[in-house]
Amino acid sequence: DPKIIQKPKYLVAVTGSEKILICEQYLGHNAMYWYRQSAKKPLEFMFSYSYQKLMDNQTASSRFQPQSSKKNHLDLQITALKPDDSATYFCASSQDRQNTLYFGAGTRLSVL
Amino acid sequence: SQLAEENLWALSVHEGESVTVNCSYKTSITALQWYRQKSGEGPAQLILIRSNEREKRNGRLRATLDTSSQSSSLSITATRCEDTAVYFCATGGSNAKLTFGKGTKLSVKS
Repeated sequence: DPKIIQKPKYLVAVTGSEKILICEQYLGHNAMYWYRQSAKKPLEFMFSYSYQKLMDNQTASSRFQPQSSKKNHLDLQITALKPDDSATYFCASSQDRQNTLYFGAGTRLSVL
Repeated sequence: SQLAEENLWALSVHEGESVTVNCSYKTSITALQWYRQKSGEGPAQLILIRSNEREKRNGRLRATLDTSSQSSSLSITATRCEDTAVYFCATGGSNAKLTFGKGTKLSVKS
């Protein structure tokens, strides 16, 4: 059974709309992250959370907002979607912000 | 920033052969990791090698680290079709903020 669940697996959106990417982890980790992987760039760090608090934000745009309603949840809200936002978004977790990350299978977002 | 980069975009080998993927990085590091990403999946860590280590093994996998030349290699022996994947090296900062290379696509043919 997957220990990090990302929903949906595929997502198609129109430019200007808003979407929420869901992530739940069942590894008992207290740190969670979002990474982005696009055709043009390598896997990129976006956010890190520890005990539901934002620790690091490498995303220049405020259109990307992580939301942590529970310790094992870290959703990603993206507003005013643009075609350049098209990418696969990976949620990851780790224990105590150690360097070994466990990744989910990703949500592939296409913005038309 | 710690930039990691694999040296080849793609490699192809036949089952049973050995293969090595190389990576170079900039600036000093505390550790370097190798990840594998199979099609449709997220990356999965293979080996973490710390800056005071020269070699680390995990089954058929062997990673080396040369801090003087700022390079690392990942060798896979007795390759199998299921080793087909993209292999990344990654260097880490605080908060598990890893910097990944673009990856080397390995194809293992039967």
